[in-house]
Amino acid sequence: TQLLEQSPQFLSIQEGENLTVYCNSSSVFSSLQWYRQEPGEGPVLLVTVVTGGEVKKLKRLTFQFGDARKDSSLHITAAQPGDTGLYLCAGGGNQGGKLIFGQGTELSVKP
Amino acid sequence: NAGVTQTPKFQVLKTGQSMTLQCAQDMNHEYMSWYRQDPGMGLRLIHYSVGAGITDQGEVPNGYNVSRSTTEDFPLRLLSAAPSQTSVYFCASSSATGAGGYTFGSGTRLTVV
Repeated sequence: TQLLEQSPQFLSIQEGENLTVYCNSSSVFSSLQWYRQEPGEGPVLLVTVVTGGEVKKLKRLTFQFGDARKDSSLHITAAQPGDTGLYLCAGGGNQGGKLIFGQGTELSVKP
Repeated sequence: NAGVTQTPKFQVLKTGQSMTLQCAQDMNHEYMSWYRQDPGMGLRLIHYSVGAGITDQGEVPNGYNVSRSTTEDFPLRLLSAAPSQTSVYFCASSSATGAGGYTFGSGTRLTVV
C-alpha cells in the first residue's frame, strides 16, 4: 500500500512569514502533484513534478521533488492571507490513473 | 466548458437506502476517479477507471460500486448506506498523459442518518 505522510497537519502563521510543508513516502512515485483546496470546493492543481531533484516555482511558492522521488516539499515565501487553504500532495503514475493523496496541511495566514 | 459536473450537491439518506452519485466530464479524459474526504484524512480513493469498461478498486472500495459505460460518465453507487459513509465525495478526471493533473468536481455532501 502506498502512503503519503504530510506534515504539519495544521499551520497558523502571521502574514509575511515563510513556511514549508513536507510530503514523505516509503514508495517511489512517477510524479508528485500539489493541490490547493478552498472550503466548499474541489482541489485545484498547483504543480506537477516528475523528475528527481526537480524544483518548480510558482510566484512565491517553491516545489521540490526529492532525488529518490519519494518525497516533496512546498515552501511559501512571505505568506499572505490569500494563501490560506488546505494544501494536498498526491502521488501517482505507478498504476495508471491511480492518484493517492496525503492527509493535507491546513494553512491559516493571519493579517 | 463545464469540466467535471457532480450531482447532487447535497443528499441525506437513511441507513440502508441506496443511491447513485452522478459524475460527468466533457473534456474527453480517459481517467476518472471517486474520492471521499473526511476531516484530517485528506482524500481517499474509492474507485478509479482508466477508460470505458475498465474500473478498479482504490483504498476504500467497500460499500461502493462503479461502472464506466461511456468516457463521459462515472456514477458511484452506494448499495446500502451506513452512517460511516457520511462524507464529502469528489469525482475527478484526467487525461492519460497526466498533463494538467486531475480536474475535480465541486463535491457531493452526503449525510447518512
